Amino acid sequence: GAVVSQHPSWVICKSGTSVKIECRSLDFQATTMFWYRQFPKQSLMLMATSNEGSKATYEQGVEKDKFLINHASLTLSTLTVTSAHPEDSSFYICSAPSAQGSEKLFFGSGTQLSVL
Amino acid sequence: GENVEQHPSTLSVQEGDSAVIKCTYSDSASNYFPWYKQELGKRPQLIIDIRSNVGEKKDQRIAVTLNKTAKHFSLHITETQPEDSAVYFCAWGYGNKLVFGAGTILRVKS
Repeated sequence: GAVVSQHPSWVICKSGTSVKIECRSLDFQATTMFWYRQFPKQSLMLMATSNEGSKATYEQGVEKDKFLINHASLTLSTLTVTSAHPEDSSFYICSAPSAQGSEKLFFGSGTQLSVL
Repeated sequence: GENVEQHPSTLSVQEGDSAVIKCTYSDSASNYFPWYKQELGKRPQLIIDIRSNVGEKKDQRIAVTLNKTAKHFSLHITETQPEDSAVYFCAWGYGNKLVFGAGTILRVKS
């Protein structure tokens, strides 16, 4: 099946710094990618839809200036958590449709962010 | 907003028994219903999915049933094994997005 690669797998940072997470589709092109956040023992909450060549679409309650998304190519989307605070500590995971327009999602391996 | 209710939140079964997890959704326009398995610290893996034009789908020990009238769908795992222990999430297609249930922690006791 399609492979989605996500890096880094974990990151520890100081409060106030920014962290960039990369999500790549390895053997297919993805004009759309999705970014989710998952708190311990909770479900996956959609944060935003990343669109290649255009602005991301954010879900209600997600600050677009805090969670910057860039989808500059058909195989790469990045999420930057700006001015991170301890409450941003979470498991961030990206996903991409297996084919354009498909609802079948393949997930990256996730990034565990810990903000001190 | 749109949501999906998932029950139970935790489920313990003896190895070899069956496990059933049920989800109820709210948008009657939805037509895609996947189930994901997530092990601790790992990515969710698609294990089975069903579309609204089908009432049941089976893949070896795993099956999914869909009742569109009642707006619920269920995951059935037969002959459970310890390696089935994980968190299972249902989801349903909403526009071009998936809405996930809260998850069910399945523990298979050997």
